[in-house]
Amino acid sequence: RKEVEQDPGPFNVPEGATVAFNCTYSNSASQSFFWYRQDCRKEPKLLMSVYSSGNEDGRFTAQLNRASQYISLLIRDSKLSDSATYLCVGRDYKLSFGAGTTVTVRA
Amino acid sequence: ETGVTQTPRHLVMGMTNKKSLKCEQHLGHNAMYWYKQSAKKPLELMFVYSLEERVENNSVPSRFSPECPNSSHLFLHLHTLQPEDSALYLCASSEQRTTEAFFGQGTRLTVV
Repeated sequence: RKEVEQDPGPFNVPEGATVAFNCTYSNSASQSFFWYRQDCRKEPKLLMSVYSSGNEDGRFTAQLNRASQYISLLIRDSKLSDSATYLCVGRDYKLSFGAGTTVTVRA
Repeated sequence: ETGVTQTPRHLVMGMTNKKSLKCEQHLGHNAMYWYKQSAKKPLELMFVYSLEERVENNSVPSRFSPECPNSSHLFLHLHTLQPEDSALYLCASSEQRTTEAFFGQGTRLTVV
């Protein structure tokens, strides 16, 4: 079983829409969680850390549910520039990456 | 100057060649990593160095040989690769092994 599993999508949404997706993790020892964003043929870039209490960064909201072992990301008021692959990451002594969820925002 | 720099950005090599990928981080981090990303697959961790000591080797074939001469530099020496080794090779660094990692732009490797 993969340590981090994500719905690959793609999620195709119009500009201005809200899109949300989850990932699940199997390693209960994971201490830290992150969302990374990866554009086509580019390196992953840290989008935000995920805290137990949930956290918000502008239009992005991340939630962590330790009991059910899932992490979510919600994007409000989607922009064309939000089109990317979003990688869910868990960490104990190493980073474990999900395969990514592809989001395409259309005009 | 970017935090993590990789060279070359693109590399085409024959199966009998020897080449090296270079990574340099300017962030003062203590841990450095090599990842492989093949098309439509998740990132695969290859090697982890913490304070210049290799702490993880994820069953990577011996045709890949890492080297970490100091905390700012990381190399991946390549020898007699196979076409299936063609991928994006990403270097990353983190302040500690428990903190978020920052990636270089990657080397896109094609083995012919």
